Amino acid sequence: GQQVQQSPASLVLQEGENAELQCNFSTSLNSMQWFYQRPGGSLVSLFYNPSGTKHSGRLTSTTVIKERRSSLHISSSQTTDSGTYLCALEDVGDNSKLIWGLGTSLVVNP
Amino acid sequence: GGIITQTPKFLIGQEGQKLTLKCQQNFNHDTMYWYRQDSGKGLRLIYYSITENDLQKGDLSEGYDASREKKSSFSLTVTSAQKNEMAVFLCASSIGTGGDTQYFGPGTRLLVL
Repeated sequence: GQQVQQSPASLVLQEGENAELQCNFSTSLNSMQWFYQRPGGSLVSLFYNPSGTKHSGRLTSTTVIKERRSSLHISSSQTTDSGTYLCALEDVGDNSKLIWGLGTSLVVNP
Repeated sequence: GGIITQTPKFLIGQEGQKLTLKCQQNFNHDTMYWYRQDSGKGLRLIYYSITENDLQKGDLSEGYDASREKKSSFSLTVTSAQKNEMAVFLCASSIGTGGDTQYFGPGTRLLVL
């Protein structure tokens, strides 16, 4: 079945540094989403990005289906970016639910 | 816009107890989900429902019951709480299934003594 791997598992940055988070998947997909979860908070959808590149403020998501990867780039990180970033995909074989990665835990220090 | 509310926010139970978690959404979404989030294990789907009175088992349905009494509400029951269990239960909703964006509630934090 479909496998989703996120890397790195955790990341510590100094404020102002950039971050690149990766999500790799094993077979074809219909769609890819990125979510953000603040410590102790609910999940918030960042991007719905089945292919190509999308921008939102300091965030950029790029999905390359033939390379079976999606990335989330955070530029000029801020302490408020700290939290967990999760990717989730809709499998071609089963479009009834999402398949989730384990997440990347990001800490941005002042 | 809309909102998803989950009650209670914190739930402390005893081993063997039956515990019920509730979720309400005012998005008028057809599909609702219950996930369990454990540290280091990501989100695991317990049950989902594509319409009122519909129930679909997820990967982690054993030990749980669910009920979709009306379109706006979806409840989850832990049939027999396990000692020292600690997890966050997240409710979500979406317009349809699959790749439709899911909107999440704040979660219910469970601790079993």
